[in-house]
Amino acid sequence: QKEVEQNSGPLSVPEGAIASLNCTYSDRGSQSFFWYRQYSGKSPELIMSIYSNGDKEDGRFTAQLNKASQYVSLLIRDSQPSDSATYLCAVIPNQAGTALIFGKGTTLSVSS
Amino acid sequence: ETGVTQSPTHLIKTRGQQVTLRCSSQSGHNTVSWYQQALGQGPQFIFQYYREEENGRGNFPPRFSGLQFPNYSSELNVNALELDDSALYLCASSLMDRKETQYFGPGTRLLVL
Repeated sequence: QKEVEQNSGPLSVPEGAIASLNCTYSDRGSQSFFWYRQYSGKSPELIMSIYSNGDKEDGRFTAQLNKASQYVSLLIRDSQPSDSATYLCAVIPNQAGTALIFGKGTTLSVSS
Repeated sequence: ETGVTQSPTHLIKTRGQQVTLRCSSQSGHNTVSWYQQALGQGPQFIFQYYREEENGRGNFPPRFSGLQFPNYSSELNVNALELDDSALYLCASSLMDRKETQYFGPGTRLLVL
């Protein structure tokens, strides 16, 4: 039973556009949510964390959390070709420990 | 750069062999987690070590085992390798007061033939 779901894509956007990446999770009690970026052949890089309902902005990135709908999203404004990567959504379910549960990732392609 | 290092970077083994992968955590991080990432999949949690003790384990068989040392570095051992063990193995370390925020090392790519 999957706990974190993402559309695998690929999601293609032109340079300068807004890319919207979505993620749903099954454990209603989850408290911690993360977005990682993974370039091909590299390891995941933490780009955003969010813990409370609402929006959290960091530069061109905005994470949005809606716990009632069990939904997390990542918006990338002014997308650049260097943003082309796989974006992994990760959740820590409401249980003991701090294991990250990942989705399969969404591949983003930004064309110039 | 996260300050987390892993060795070796690549490894080729044959079925039935044993392998040891190593991880050095970022300074001050006392929690180390190991993940397996198969091609096209998200990372899957193997286990976590905190203060040299196992602090949670994912759905992996006992032939996957680990250690954490007093300097917080860690090893992942896999016995009786199977073809499906071919994957990228990732180590992640965490700050003492923010164990949920994990920073990944570059990974070890294991190929089992």
